[in-house]
Amino acid sequence: GQQLNQSPQSMFIQEGEDVSMNCTSSSIFNTWLWYKQEPGEGPVLLIALYKAGELTSNGRLTAQFGITRKDSFLNISASIPSDVGIYFCAGQSNTNAGKSTFGDGTTLTVKP
Amino acid sequence: DGGITQSPKYLFRKEGQNVTLSCEQNLNHDAMYWYRQDPGQGLRLIYYSQIVNDFQKGDIAEGYSVSREKKESFPLTVTSAQKNPTAFYLCASCRGNQPQHFGDGTRLSIL
Repeated sequence: GQQLNQSPQSMFIQEGEDVSMNCTSSSIFNTWLWYKQEPGEGPVLLIALYKAGELTSNGRLTAQFGITRKDSFLNISASIPSDVGIYFCAGQSNTNAGKSTFGDGTTLTVKP
Repeated sequence: DGGITQSPKYLFRKEGQNVTLSCEQNLNHDAMYWYRQDPGQGLRLIYYSQIVNDFQKGDIAEGYSVSREKKESFPLTVTSAQKNPTAFYLCASCRGNQPQHFGDGTRLSIL
C-alpha cells in the first residue's frame, strides 16, 4: 500500500524559531493535508492542498504541495508555546475518495 | 453546531470482555473511519465505511468489528480476540474527496 515518510520525528525548539517538517511518498497523491493534534484530542485540519505546486498559508503556517505530487512541507514561523503538539501529514488519491494515508507525525516541543 | 462525537472519553475493559465505542456525526458525511493510535505512533486504519450498510477492513481489522446501520453512526466493537486493545481510538468522517474531520477520541485501557 501507499506509504508516507514524515520527518523529523520530533523537534525541540526555542520560542520564536521557525520550524519546517516534510512528508514524502512513494506514490502520487492528488491532495495533501496537514493536521495538528493536541494531547488527548483528535487531529484538527490546518491546511489542505489540492494542486501540484500550490503554496497556501494559514496565519504563521505555510504548506506546499510538491511539484512531483509525491511530497509536501509545512513551515511554522515565529513559533509560540501553543504550537506544541503532533503534526500529521496525510495524502489522498482520487482513486479512493476520502481515504487518507497518514504519516507517523512530527512531535513539536517549544521551550519558552 | 455540527461535529463528530465520540463516547465515552475513557473506557476500561476487563480481560475477555467486548466493548463498544460510539461515534456519531451530524455533518451529513457519507464516509466514516476508525483509527487506532498508539503512543508515539501515527494513525492506523481499522475499518471504514463509505455508505450505509457497507464497510471495509482497514490495515488492522483483526479483533474489531463495526456496523453502519445509520448514516450518522459508526460504532466500533473491540472484541476479546483483540489481545492488545489498550490505545487511543479516533473516529473520522468526510464527504466525497473532502478532508476527514476527527472526533476527540476514546482512550481504552485494560483492567
